[in-house]
Amino acid sequence: ILNVEQSPQSLHVQEGDSTNFTCSFPSSNFYALHWYRWETAKSPEALFVMTLNGDEKKKGRISATLNTKEGYSYLYIKGSQPEDSATYLCAFMGDSSYKLIFGSGTRLLVRP
Amino acid sequence: DTGVSQNPRHKITKRGQNVTFRCDPISEHNRLYWYRQTLGQGPEFLTYFQNEAQLEKSRLLSDRFSAERPKGSFSTLEIQRTEQGDSAMYLCASSALAELQETQYFGPGTRLLVL
Repeated sequence: ILNVEQSPQSLHVQEGDSTNFTCSFPSSNFYALHWYRWETAKSPEALFVMTLNGDEKKKGRISATLNTKEGYSYLYIKGSQPEDSATYLCAFMGDSSYKLIFGSGTRLLVRP
Repeated sequence: DTGVSQNPRHKITKRGQNVTFRCDPISEHNRLYWYRQTLGQGPEFLTYFQNEAQLEKSRLLSDRFSAERPKGSFSTLEIQRTEQGDSAMYLCASSALAELQETQYFGPGTRLLVL
């Protein structure tokens, strides 16, 4: 059974704080790691697709790193804003299937 | 292109009834996926199509569930004889075969409540 775990489950921060979340995934049969942001009543929004060990990607104030050998990825948000409040999901894609295996997500609440 | 669309957005039904959901993917996306999400969990894979061929089904997809993509465009997911445990958000996603990293683009989901 493939297990993808995210921590923390939830996080409350003040506007302006920087924050980070962790995603751990199987280190074998790895193909890609996906990050999504999911706001209530909206579609999950794709943030990053990461495939290479040591990869680092950035989109505005959000960045992510990938370590495929030890099976973890970090998502960083610099200077959190209230509009960053959402659930952040990571998903593992193995090399034998196109299905995504999701973690349970980290729910972020940014207080003004 | 307005992205992946799903209908209906909400469905309330009584136990034992049949329900059908529709997903319209981004045009020209070859792959279409169905996932189910229950409270406090991440989405769980149900099935996926490449064009009209259903290539993988999860063990979660019991005999009461059937999915089709008859012309390789829109897809339907039918649940027969619904049970209270079927209450969940049903998400559809699509991706382009030609896109190297195959981002899956999600629709807004259909929230099902079985009474």
